[in-house]
Amino acid sequence: SQQGEEDPQALSIQEGENATMNCSYKTSINNLQWYRQNSGRGLVHLILIRSNEREKHSGRLRVTLDTSKKSSSLLITASRAADTASYFCATDGEYGNKLVFGAGTILRVKS
Amino acid sequence: NAGVMQNPRHLVRRRGQEARLRCSPMKGHSHVYWYRQLPEEGLKFMVYLQKENIIDESGMPKERFSAEFPKEGPSILRIQQVVRGDSAAYFCASSPPGFRGQGENNYGYTFGSGTRLTVV
Repeated sequence: SQQGEEDPQALSIQEGENATMNCSYKTSINNLQWYRQNSGRGLVHLILIRSNEREKHSGRLRVTLDTSKKSSSLLITASRAADTASYFCATDGEYGNKLVFGAGTILRVKS
Repeated sequence: NAGVMQNPRHLVRRRGQEARLRCSPMKGHSHVYWYRQLPEEGLKFMVYLQKENIIDESGMPKERFSAEFPKEGPSILRIQQVVRGDSAAYFCASSPPGFRGQGENNYGYTFGSGTRLTVV
């Protein structure tokens, strides 16, 4: 399977609930990033976590990184309808010069 | 700072025609990356360029695709003799010199809004 795989593939929740998305990867990394993409639009960078960090917060976002398990999770708290989008994790691999994206999680927040 | 500019936003080509996609990196960025996103999939790396040099083209199809980043002007992704399977969104990203994901830049790469290529 490809580096940077997310699960679930799709997630549907009610507004106000928390959404958790997971990402697994295969090789060693310098950092891992999460991006959001609204339908038919470009990518918006959400958060970057370095390989020596375990947890990072940004507003309603919380990212964890477990390098021993080669996995990361993105938690969106108190979700809003505007959070409806696809979410991708991306790793930089050994040389940090290109990103490897997973297939993404499609999040739908119902109001 | 205008960010990464890609044009055109939408491009329609008939099978067999050529497609040229342009990307102007952020001011001060000398590294450019091209990614392709097929429908319902994540982005796939295609090529990494610095000014006048192709650094990594491991994701480029062997035929019909080429990329350049000249000393002056935007980076160009060129697709010759397009086929329906080339229909996708093509994204460009840029980064500053020396970026290897470990600097103080917490925003990683900067992506453009993409060019959506439709081959009819």
